[in-house]
Amino acid sequence: GDSVTQMEGPVTLSEEAFLTINCTYTATGYPSLFWYVQYPGEGLQLLLKATKADDKGSNKGFEATYRKETTSFHLEKGSVQVSDSAVYFCALLPQYSGGGADGLTFGKGTHLIIQP
Amino acid sequence: NAGVTQTPKFQVLKTGQSMTLQCAQDMNHNSMYWYRQDPGMGLRLIYYSASEGTTDKGEVPNGYNVSRLNKREFSLRLESAAPSQTSVYFCASKWGIDFGNEQFFGPGTRLTVL
Repeated sequence: GDSVTQMEGPVTLSEEAFLTINCTYTATGYPSLFWYVQYPGEGLQLLLKATKADDKGSNKGFEATYRKETTSFHLEKGSVQVSDSAVYFCALLPQYSGGGADGLTFGKGTHLIIQP
Repeated sequence: NAGVTQTPKFQVLKTGQSMTLQCAQDMNHNSMYWYRQDPGMGLRLIYYSASEGTTDKGEVPNGYNVSRLNKREFSLRLESAAPSQTSVYFCASKWGIDFGNEQFFGPGTRLTVL
């Protein structure tokens, strides 16, 4: 079945450091790929997405590129801030889904801690 | 526009008790979902409803039932709670059936079963 593997945390960085959170997936065809962020005590919010190979999703300084050849969707940010501290989830939506029968498959989440 | 709302926020049950988790969305979305989040496991799909009047099982449906009461509301019921159902439960919704549409999540219900 489909699966998502992401680096497990916690990941601790200093403010203004460069961030990479690795995400790889297993799925048939061309799934859509997502990064969600969960701030403490809150639900998940969509951070960015890509729906086809070589697409780059971006939002709030974060970027991720859909790499079909390496089945990866790594999340990057050039200069992190304390406010970026959260749990980040990589997720996929199978290509052959539809009609609402499309629950996301999530990775286990990466807890990111940014220190001042 | 409240988005996706869930009640209650916290709940403690004893083994064998029953309860219903409520979810409502005011975005006129067709599809709704229930997930559970466990430490080190990510989120896993329990049930979903592609449209009003339809429901279907997800990855981990055992021990749960759902009702799509109307287009706005999708409830999750635990008939006889077990400690293994201690988790954080998230409801989500999505507009339409287009591939790749964003799912919007509620704030979650933290359930403890003793």
